[in-house]
Amino acid sequence: DQQVKQNSPSLSVQEGRISILNCDYTNSMFDYFLWYKKYPAEGPTFLISISSIKDKNEDGRFTVFLNKSAKHLSLHIVPSQPGDSAVYFCAASGSNYQLIWGAGTKLIIKP
Amino acid sequence: DAMVIQNPRYQVTQFGKPVTLSCSQTLNHNVMYWYQQKSSQAPKLLFHYYDKDFNNEADTPDNFQSRRPNTSFCFLDIRSPGLGDAAMYLCATSRGPAGMGNQPQHFGDGTRLSIL
Repeated sequence: DQQVKQNSPSLSVQEGRISILNCDYTNSMFDYFLWYKKYPAEGPTFLISISSIKDKNEDGRFTVFLNKSAKHLSLHIVPSQPGDSAVYFCAASGSNYQLIWGAGTKLIIKP
Repeated sequence: DAMVIQNPRYQVTQFGKPVTLSCSQTLNHNVMYWYQQKSSQAPKLLFHYYDKDFNNEADTPDNFQSRRPNTSFCFLDIRSPGLGDAAMYLCATSRGPAGMGNQPQHFGDGTRLSIL
């Protein structure tokens, strides 16, 4: 049973435009949501997180939105740059030690 | 820069031959994790240490063991690697447990394990 779902395996966006990556979850007890970025042959890098008591968190070009009633969060990247091409993982804090991960979305920024 | 370092980056071993992967951290974090990642799937948690307390995930095979001799180092031992154990192994650290507020995990670059 997937508690965190990223339904788009890949997304292609023109450089300079907005990239929107989506994530859905089923467990209303999650209290933190995180986005990680992963380049090939490297470990995931923490990007941005949001507490369940907030609906928006912004850090430079990256903004995460949380809609608790819909159990949905999204990561917006604007403007998109070639270096943003990577796999993006959504994760949620489950039990004290576990991160529950989505399957990832591969973002391709076209020049 | 404070970081999580995994050695080696690439490891080749023979079927059934024990192998040890290492991880060190300069972040002075309390929690260290070992994950297995295959292809572009989500990382799968194998076990973690909170200080010296070891916590095994229920579905982690007995073939996988771990040691944490001190705060900075953590090792993953695979006693008898099978072909299905070929994967990227990721080490991560966090200051506290993932569920305690905002405690992002910081990852090393992984060790890619190949089985001949």
